[in-house]
Amino acid sequence: QVQLQQWGAGLLKPSETLSLTCGVYGGSFNDEYWSWIRQPPGKGLEWIGEVRHAGSSNYSPSLKSRVIISVDTSKNQFSLRLTSVTAADTAVYYCARGLVRGVPEDWGQGTLVIVSS
Amino acid sequence: ERVMTQSPATLSLSPGERATLSCRASQSVSSDLGWYQQKPGQAPRLLIYGASTRATGIPARFSGSGSGTEFTLTISSLQSEDFAVYYCQQYNNWPPTFGQGTKVEI
Repeated sequence: QVQLQQWGAGLLKPSETLSLTCGVYGGSFNDEYWSWIRQPPGKGLEWIGEVRHAGSSNYSPSLKSRVIISVDTSKNQFSLRLTSVTAADTAVYYCARGLVRGVPEDWGQGTLVIVSS
Repeated sequence: ERVMTQSPATLSLSPGERATLSCRASQSVSSDLGWYQQKPGQAPRLLIYGASTRATGIPARFSGSGSGTEFTLTISSLQSEDFAVYYCQQYNNWPPTFGQGTKVEI
C-alpha cells in the first residue's frame, strides 16, 4: 500500500509563495499520476494540477499562471509551488496518487495553509 | 469546465436504510465519473471510478451507476461508519471537477 506524507509551511502572508512537498512511501514513480487538490475550509474540492514521473504536467486553467508541480524521482517526492498567494488560497492542500488520470486513489493527510497578513 | 451538481445537499437516514445520491454533469462525461467519501478531518477516500467500478477494499454495499450526464451512488444498507460527505467528480474533461457534496447524516 502506497502511503503519502506531505509537509510545508502552514502560515503565509499575502504575495508569498506556497511550497508543499509530498513523499511517497511503499511505492515508486512509474506510470502514476501525482496530483495536488485543495479544499477551502468548509467548502468543496478543487483540482490544482498533476504531474507524471517523466515531468509532464497539467494545471487547472484558473491557477495555471501561478502553479508549478514538479517531481524528484531520486527522492520519491513531488512538490507544489503556488506564487502570489492571497486569502482566497487559504485551504487544506492534499497530495494524491492515481493510476488513472484524474482519479486520485491514495491521498496524503492534508496540510492546512492559511494566508493572512 | 464541466459543472457537477449533486442532490440532495443533505440526506437524513437511519442505519440499515438505503441511501441514493445523485450527481448531474453539465455536459456528458461518458463514464468518467468517480465518487469519494470524506469524514471530518480526513482526506477523501475513493469509492467508485468509471461510474460503477468499486475501488480496492470498498464494501459491496456501495454501488455506482449511470453514464453521460446522470449518475447515482447507492449505499444498500447504511452502516454507522457511512455517515459522511460524498462527492462526485468527473475526469472526462480537463480540469477534473467535483460536485459540491451530499452530506449523509443520521
